Amino acid sequence: DTGVSQNPRHKITKRGQNVTFRCDPISEHNRLYWYRQTLGQGPEFLTYFQNEAQLEKSRLLSDRFSAERPKGSFSTLEIQRTEQGDSAMYLCASSFRGTVGADTQYFGPGTRLTVL
Amino acid sequence: GENVEQHPSTLSVQEGDSAVIKCTYSDSASNYFPWYKQELGKRPQLIIDIRSNVGEKKDQRIAVTLNKTAKHFSLHITETQPEDSAVYFCAASIKTSYDKVIFGPGTSLSVIP
Repeated sequence: DTGVSQNPRHKITKRGQNVTFRCDPISEHNRLYWYRQTLGQGPEFLTYFQNEAQLEKSRLLSDRFSAERPKGSFSTLEIQRTEQGDSAMYLCASSFRGTVGADTQYFGPGTRLTVL
Repeated sequence: GENVEQHPSTLSVQEGDSAVIKCTYSDSASNYFPWYKQELGKRPQLIIDIRSNVGEKKDQRIAVTLNKTAKHFSLHITETQPEDSAVYFCAASIKTSYDKVIFGPGTSLSVIP
């Protein structure tokens, strides 16, 4: 499978615990995005990378959230001191940023987080 | 801030009829407009996209139209089939330094056999 992959697919944790998710993008893609999706809503932008550089982080994103893409390939999203409101589907997407216009994003299957 | 609105939120059509979903965007510099289909429990998948240098694009039963002056774009699905039932999201690029996209809230389409 050469598409975007995410692990784990499901995560159940207790409030206050830390969790980390991983995303492996399509190999030649230089951009990687993280989104959060709740039931009945569209994907909500969290942050994105071009290669290893984090270009932007949503102003709505708590300081408990951090993301890395250390070698410009896979990325991790960590949530510290989880809260029940963090329960959602966390989607990763990747794209190839060329020289013309915005790029097409391809999504992974998501990680569903449940905070008890 | 930038936002994308989408209507209707739910849509039911008889099999074989057409379905139209409309979106509006706020950033006049937006130049890329993708549409995604998300089936229950699955990832969003790109079905069609359009850039601001064209007004219409077709791919078999699916077409997208863009009106830059009015800042709205629409998805048209003809001869709908039960397998078209899903949530459809529109999105628009935001002309910051790094061109991200903002998604609409989605339209749940049900095609009744």
